[in-house]
Amino acid sequence: DAGITQSPRHKVTETGTPVTLRCHQTENHRYMYWYRQDPGHGLRLIHYSYGVKDTDKGEVSDGYSVSRSKTEDFLLTLESATSSQTSVYFCAISEYAEAWVTEAFFGQGTRLTVV
Amino acid sequence: KQEVTQIPAALSVPEGENLVLNCSFTDSAIYNLQWFRQDPGKGLTSLLLIQSSQREQTSGRLNASLDKSSGRSTLYIAASQPGDSATYLCAVTVSNAGNMLTFGGGTRLMVKP
Repeated sequence: DAGITQSPRHKVTETGTPVTLRCHQTENHRYMYWYRQDPGHGLRLIHYSYGVKDTDKGEVSDGYSVSRSKTEDFLLTLESATSSQTSVYFCAISEYAEAWVTEAFFGQGTRLTVV
Repeated sequence: KQEVTQIPAALSVPEGENLVLNCSFTDSAIYNLQWFRQDPGKGLTSLLLIQSSQREQTSGRLNASLDKSSGRSTLYIAASQPGDSATYLCAVTVSNAGNMLTFGGGTRLMVKP
């Protein structure tokens, strides 16, 4: 299994509080991603990173920010948590196996509940 | 915008049956297509990766095909077992700018003993 660790695995937080989720990889992969998974919506990209300090927005980035200060760590921050951000969050990594070919690997997920 | 659709959304079959899961995508300009398995409450496990230049990939009882021009992929599972029960997701990579995946909604498979 790819070395991806998400922390915490479960969290309950109150509306309006900031929350940070951490993704740590041991594979030295260049690309890292945060997705959220919701019933009826499937998996949607929040933010991604293509290198240290290089990040960009995904499909559902409003209310989220990210940081990547080291190759191995990618942090997702909910600035002020809302009930609509209750979800399961997945971190993924990928790297080029050969030209134009990347394979993605996923972490075990973080279940976040905003009350 | 790329859209990925998986049909059926749910499938229940008796053990031993051969089955086919379908995935379609609207933009044929893809780099890769990946099939994943997700067990309840777990992360995604990569099953097969098909490069855009390939027609199929095989791993054990699994065979995935890709017809890029028609925007379709199928996952064939031979001799299904109860342990195959899970949700199967397909995803495509459409750009090498960030290599992001666009996912289908998944097919929930139940294999009955």
